[in-house]
Amino acid sequence: AQSVTQLDSQVPVFEEAPVELRCNYSSSVSVYLFWYVQYPNQGLQLLLKYLSGSTLVKGINGFEAEFNKSQTSFHLRKPSVHISDTAEYFCAVSDLSTDKLIFGTGTRLQVFP
Amino acid sequence: GAGVSQTPSNKVTEKGKYVELRCDPISGHTALYWYRQSLGQGPEFLIYFQGTGAADDSGLPNDRFFAVRPEGSVSTLKIQRTERGDSAVYLCASSLSSGGQNEQFFGPGTRLTVL
Repeated sequence: AQSVTQLDSQVPVFEEAPVELRCNYSSSVSVYLFWYVQYPNQGLQLLLKYLSGSTLVKGINGFEAEFNKSQTSFHLRKPSVHISDTAEYFCAVSDLSTDKLIFGTGTRLQVFP
Repeated sequence: GAGVSQTPSNKVTEKGKYVELRCDPISGHTALYWYRQSLGQGPEFLIYFQGTGAADDSGLPNDRFFAVRPEGSVSTLKIQRTERGDSAVYLCASSLSSGGQNEQFFGPGTRLTVL
């Protein structure tokens, strides 16, 4: 069975600063990895996904993530955040034999002016 | 185009009552998923449909929970004898087809409160 750990429940950061949101996963099989964002009062929206190939994945809104198989991590990064990036971010995993997503508990990114 | 829609957006009920939550997926999407998100937690998988059939219902917590998708489009999640612990946001998602690599598009959710 898979599991996802997001160690940081909240990450405060000033506008235009870089940010990294951490995600570690556990699985005995190959996985697909995802980052979703949930803006206030909105549904979950896919930021980016890793399926195979290049370990550096670029997504929407300037976000990117790097898959590290040896460390079982998929950390999300952005070099310069904006106020509008304030939201809840969820890391998720699915394996190659199932469609269900296993989510972490989320990280609330709060960007201050 | 229209995204995934869910009705009602909010539902307040009393302990022991029966509720139905509806999901309208994106037109043409054959796969449909239900998740439950409790306060401060990530979404938790409940059930997944491919077409009309439930391909994986391993996340349903007990036999009070049941879901249908009779015509392969709209789905209804049914909860019998509701309990206070059922209070959560119920999320529906759809994808073009089955396969873990396909993006799941989420609806805004139904907030269920059991008093």
